[in-house]
Amino acid sequence: KQEVTQIPAALSVPEGENLVLNCSFTDSAIYNLQWFRQDPGKGLTSLLLIQSSQREQTSGRLNASLDKSSGRSTLYIAASQPGDSATYLCAVTSGGSYIPTFGRGTSLIVHP
Amino acid sequence: NAGVTQTPKFRVLKTGQSMTLLCAQDMNHEYMYWYRQDPGMGLRLIHYSVGEGTTAKGEVPDGYNVSRLKKQNFLLGLESAAPSQTSVYFCASSWMGGPYNEQFFGPGTRLTVL
Repeated sequence: KQEVTQIPAALSVPEGENLVLNCSFTDSAIYNLQWFRQDPGKGLTSLLLIQSSQREQTSGRLNASLDKSSGRSTLYIAASQPGDSATYLCAVTSGGSYIPTFGRGTSLIVHP
Repeated sequence: NAGVTQTPKFRVLKTGQSMTLLCAQDMNHEYMYWYRQDPGMGLRLIHYSVGEGTTAKGEVPDGYNVSRLKKQNFLLGLESAAPSQTSVYFCASSWMGGPYNEQFFGPGTRLTVL
């Protein structure tokens, strides 16, 4: 059974720092990995989807990488801003299952 | 293009009452999902559907029923609400499963059972 872990559970940084959020998974036979952002009291917003055949995806200040062999993905946030404060979740869809497995998220606070 | 919408946004029930949560999507997606999110528990899958007329159990299906009579709608029912069902409920949809399962979420329904 796929297990997805996100460490740290919470992170507080000053504005302007470059950040790395981690997502690890136990079964490397995956279809894809998706990163989401969730603002307090809101639904999940899709940020990036990395297919199994890809190594990374970029959107603006966000860059997500995937290393299947080590069972890891990282979400890099460049030049963080207070507006980046949110919870970031990753979800992994394993081969043989069409349903994603979610991590519990990293709660990020970027203070001015 | 509204994406995924959920009705209602908030609801308060008394123990034993019933209600139905409605999820609608306008993206012609085949797959739809119902999750609940609780502090410290993360997102947990309740039921899902891989197409019109089909439903399947997820991780925490007890106490819930679902129906997918139309492709664009996925209904979640609570027949006899219990305080343990106090939660935030999210609906999601994806075009297909597996490699094609990029999920899009609705805004959520906050349910309190007294």
